[in-house]
Amino acid sequence: DQQVKQNSPSLSVQEGRISILNCDYTNSMFDYFLWYKKYPAEGPTFLISISSIKDKNEDGRFTVFLNKSAKHLSLHIVPSQPGDSAVYFCAASAGNNNDMRFGAGTRLTVKP
Amino acid sequence: EPEVTQTPSHQVTQMGQEVILRCVPISNHLYFYWYRQILGQKVEFLVSFYNNEISEKSEIFDDQFSVERPDGSNFTLKIRSTKLEDSAMYFCASSAQPSYNEQFFGPGTRLTVL
Repeated sequence: DQQVKQNSPSLSVQEGRISILNCDYTNSMFDYFLWYKKYPAEGPTFLISISSIKDKNEDGRFTVFLNKSAKHLSLHIVPSQPGDSAVYFCAASAGNNNDMRFGAGTRLTVKP
Repeated sequence: EPEVTQTPSHQVTQMGQEVILRCVPISNHLYFYWYRQILGQKVEFLVSFYNNEISEKSEIFDDQFSVERPDGSNFTLKIRSTKLEDSAMYFCASSAQPSYNEQFFGPGTRLTVL
């Protein structure tokens, strides 16, 4: 099941610079997208979401961009901080379907 | 801040044994979910539960799995006869609304099947 893909297993960024995490999806029925952050030994924590009627949603240092025609979304973190180091999961759902599909995750390392 | 709790944090069992993983969702949430993450792989949806019944389940959630809300606070996942490939981290989640609102995840139970 590869409906949600995160093709970069890891990303390393210098503190203060921008982190860009990418996610692609194949199911055109997906209309709600979420990013979760996961620290070791903890469950995923909701970070930010976007519905398909928007192309951008911003919350502080975090911005999610959605390109529906390309079936692509990205998470921008700026400026990146060492505390942002975690695994980031992209997730998507369709309508009222409770079946949320996750990508494989990207491990972000922010170096001081 | 309210949180989802899960017990135990780590469960070790022999192949063929039954296990019950327990979760206490956030008290005013109505929607409950189980996910699993096999080591090194992605988080996979297992089942969602609302109004005392399963609302959706994935192809992973076969007859070996069952869920229950035995009282007003607990939400359990039972695996009847565990297999080696059931070894994974199992996450419980809950939400106040269906999945288009954020789900709150518990810390997970690591299941090891020997």
